[in-house]
Amino acid sequence: LAKTTQPISMDSYEGQEVNITCSHNNIATNDYITWYQQFPSQGPRFIIQGYKTKVTNEVASLFIPADRKSSTLSLPRVSLSDTAVYYCLVGAVNRDDKIIFGKGTRLHILP
Amino acid sequence: GAVVSQHPSWVICKSGTSVKIECRSLDFQATTMFWYRQFPKQSLMLMATSNEGSKATYEQGVEKDKFLINHASLTLSTLTVTSAHPEDSSFYICSARDSLYGGLRRNYGYTFGSGTRLTVV
Repeated sequence: LAKTTQPISMDSYEGQEVNITCSHNNIATNDYITWYQQFPSQGPRFIIQGYKTKVTNEVASLFIPADRKSSTLSLPRVSLSDTAVYYCLVGAVNRDDKIIFGKGTRLHILP
Repeated sequence: GAVVSQHPSWVICKSGTSVKIECRSLDFQATTMFWYRQFPKQSLMLMATSNEGSKATYEQGVEKDKFLINHASLTLSTLTVTSAHPEDSSFYICSARDSLYGGLRRNYGYTFGSGTRLTVV
């Protein structure tokens, strides 16, 4: 899996939009970008996945520039319950690759 | 969607005893399951890959004789921590991959269990 780099921690306030950027300079042609969310004492939960341009679901948006060397997870109007660790993962989805987690971004939402 | 059930959610055991953790895929078959360990404030660390009907593959530095993995069916993998010691206290998480998910797999087809908090006293 391509190595990823993301901020260790971020703080924001309720109601704000939060953008977490992940760098993956060595992304391969058939790699997808996937973001997971983990709350304390819980397993990671899938948030969103994309290959290029923009993907949006009911939870978040994922912006991927043309060179795909980075991606940005956008959480609209965050609430206290969005406080969690967010992991950016890059890899091929059509292979049986194991998922190696990076350090993730610890997001802390303040009232 | 795919659901992975992990039990128990927490367990306390005495030093020297063994503890078994179960990971079940409830609505799909999983030829491959993964076991992770997570210490406080740290990321998930992959321990081993569990393969149905064959021996597990352990990551470097993980003692295979201490962390016994059995994947006897397409819906169940177990992790047994043998002769547990306080340093084995951690949060253990499994993930399973839908083996029948063909073509483009959403989120790699991986779903994670809710984790097991092991405390060895």
